[in-house]
Amino acid sequence: QKEVEQNSGPLSVPEGAIASLNCTYSDRGSQSFFWYRQYSGKSPELIMSIYSNGDKEDGRFTAQLNKASQYVSLLIRDSQPSDSATYLCAVNKYGYGGSQGNLIFGKGTKLSVKP
Amino acid sequence: NAGVTQTPKFQVLKTGQSMTLQCAQDMNHNSMYWYRQDPGMGLRLIYYSASEGTTDKGEVPNGYNVSRLNKREFSLRLESAAPSQTSVYFCASSEALGASDTIYFGEGSWLTVV
Repeated sequence: QKEVEQNSGPLSVPEGAIASLNCTYSDRGSQSFFWYRQYSGKSPELIMSIYSNGDKEDGRFTAQLNKASQYVSLLIRDSQPSDSATYLCAVNKYGYGGSQGNLIFGKGTKLSVKP
Repeated sequence: NAGVTQTPKFQVLKTGQSMTLQCAQDMNHNSMYWYRQDPGMGLRLIYYSASEGTTDKGEVPNGYNVSRLNKREFSLRLESAAPSQTSVYFCASSEALGASDTIYFGEGSWLTVV
């Protein structure tokens, strides 16, 4: 089993819809979770981090974490064509106080928002 | 504000040649990283440096060496390039090695080994 798994997509949604991106992880000890956005030919940029079970909202973005199910998701409300990018899920195996050197990335989900 | 700067942006090497990727950050960050990104493989950590004077192996260190020259600079060296090292390389930095610290990436270096 891959440590961090994501559907590669592409996930296609119409403009204005909710895009739902999912990620599962294998290490139950993981405690820090991140979503990065990467435009084609560009570098990844952090858009959300989440450490506790439940939802965390930031503007149009909501990250959801369920440690019991080893599942983290990203919802993008009112999707815009500018949201079209690859979204990378990243998991830190050792949580707080752990090393960013142990940050494991998924392969990413490509999102396409159609006007 | 430059952030994380990598050079060169593009490079073509012949098998067996050596080269060094340079990286510098101007955010006074303690920790720096080198990742490679391959199609279908995601980002994989090659080496990282928790602080000036220390380096540690990541997930895929074979064929690479690194030097943390000072707090600002972290270089990646390919001693004898192989076609399997064709990839996009990202340098990154964070304030510290703590799990909650945001990692900032450079713009990437596209390396082709023929």
